[in-house]
Amino acid sequence: AQSVTQPDIHITVSEGASLELRCNYSYGATPYLFWYVQSPGQGLQLLLKYFSGDTLVQGIKGFEAEFKRSQSSFNLRKPSVHWSDAAEYFCAVGDDMRFGAGTRLTVKP
Amino acid sequence: DVKVTQSSRYLVKRTGEKVFLECVQDMDHENMFWYRQDPGLGLRLIYFSYDVKMKEKGDIPEGYSVSREKKERFSLILESASTNQTSMYLCASSPLGEGRLNEQFFGPGTRLTVL
Repeated sequence: AQSVTQPDIHITVSEGASLELRCNYSYGATPYLFWYVQSPGQGLQLLLKYFSGDTLVQGIKGFEAEFKRSQSSFNLRKPSVHWSDAAEYFCAVGDDMRFGAGTRLTVKP
Repeated sequence: DVKVTQSSRYLVKRTGEKVFLECVQDMDHENMFWYRQDPGLGLRLIYFSYDVKMKEKGDIPEGYSVSREKKERFSLILESASTNQTSMYLCASSPLGEGRLNEQFFGPGTRLTVL
């Protein structure tokens, strides 16, 4: 069965600093991979997805993620975090519809 | 914009009550899903449906049932609510596409408390 691990439960960064959220998956073939964001009181919104092709994927709100098959990872990055990025972020693996436990991002002024 | 609506944002019920959570989507999506979200556990799939009157169990179907009589509506039913079903419930829909999972569109969630 597929599984998704987000090793960091909570991350705090300063506004303007760079961000990397980690996601590792377990799956036999190349999976469909997603990152979603959940702002307080909101449903989840898709940031980006990877199905095939270029391993660096651009998403909305300035986010990007890189698929690394050798490391079974799909880490989310943003070069400069804004206060409005404070939210919970979920990595998900397709086919089996499995979500990671989430990483809560706090942004310091 | 795709819209997924859930009938209640907050719900308080008593142990043993029958509870209905309703979800409606307006984009003619084939697939609909029910998840529960708990701290530290992320989202766990309860049931999903890929067509009217079709349903499949997810990872944690025990204590739940679903109904999909119309394409746009997917209901989650707690036959006899228990305190361990206190949780945030999220509904989602997605179009039929490559693979079983395409981008999902989520509702705002229903926070259910069972006393």
